[in-house]
Amino acid sequence: NAGVTQTPKFRVLKTGQSMTLLCAQDMNHEYMYWYRQDPGMGLRLIHYSVGEGTTAKGEVPDGYNVSRLKKQNFLLGLESAAPSQTSVYFCASIPRLAGPSTDTQYFGPGTRLTVL
Amino acid sequence: AQSVTQLGSHVSVSEGALVLLRCNYSSSVPPYLFWYVQYPNQGLQLLLKYTTGATLVKGINGFEAEFKKSETSFHLTKPSAHMSDAAEYFCAVIHSGTYKYIFGTGTRLKVLA
Repeated sequence: NAGVTQTPKFRVLKTGQSMTLLCAQDMNHEYMYWYRQDPGMGLRLIHYSVGEGTTAKGEVPDGYNVSRLKKQNFLLGLESAAPSQTSVYFCASIPRLAGPSTDTQYFGPGTRLTVL
Repeated sequence: AQSVTQLGSHVSVSEGALVLLRCNYSSSVPPYLFWYVQYPNQGLQLLLKYTTGATLVKGINGFEAEFKKSETSFHLTKPSAHMSDAAEYFCAVIHSGTYKYIFGTGTRLKVLA
């Protein structure tokens, strides 16, 4: 049981390049989230999914797209990277036992992205 | 709108001293509250959570927090700090029926020998 994994761990992009971050969980969790973490700003929600085939916008969705074609995977895409997207990105998942209000979020180890 | 405020971005305590990390929330409806810990270069781990019931919540590693509705607070405490407690701590809130967690800006705890 690997829990929540994120690929890649590190990446450096040039402005305007695109990339996809992969989040995978093997716990059959229903809900999945993408956050970005910046110094002094805590974690901010980018997009989230409440089930396979569904996605919704979070607090800071601009410049990102997501897809949840398979229940176990949640992809975060940057179509045209900008220096403001330099950050550490975390994925998290939650089971559906009691719903998001009470369930523990399980976090991945993070992806450190630098956009030059 | 719901929000979370963590007072003090950096807190230093001596080993063996009391740890107190402050968290205040704003909400017009009963919130569910969480404390997470992040060790260097790792993801977040749940320390404890308040949903309903007892207002004093005990978590892992000797931490506890008390939900005080009258003060809209959920402060994290530990009677005696250990060097291994050095990390960043995040308070978070979510409301029943919603899917979005709101995190505070974090408090970095330093433990001095």
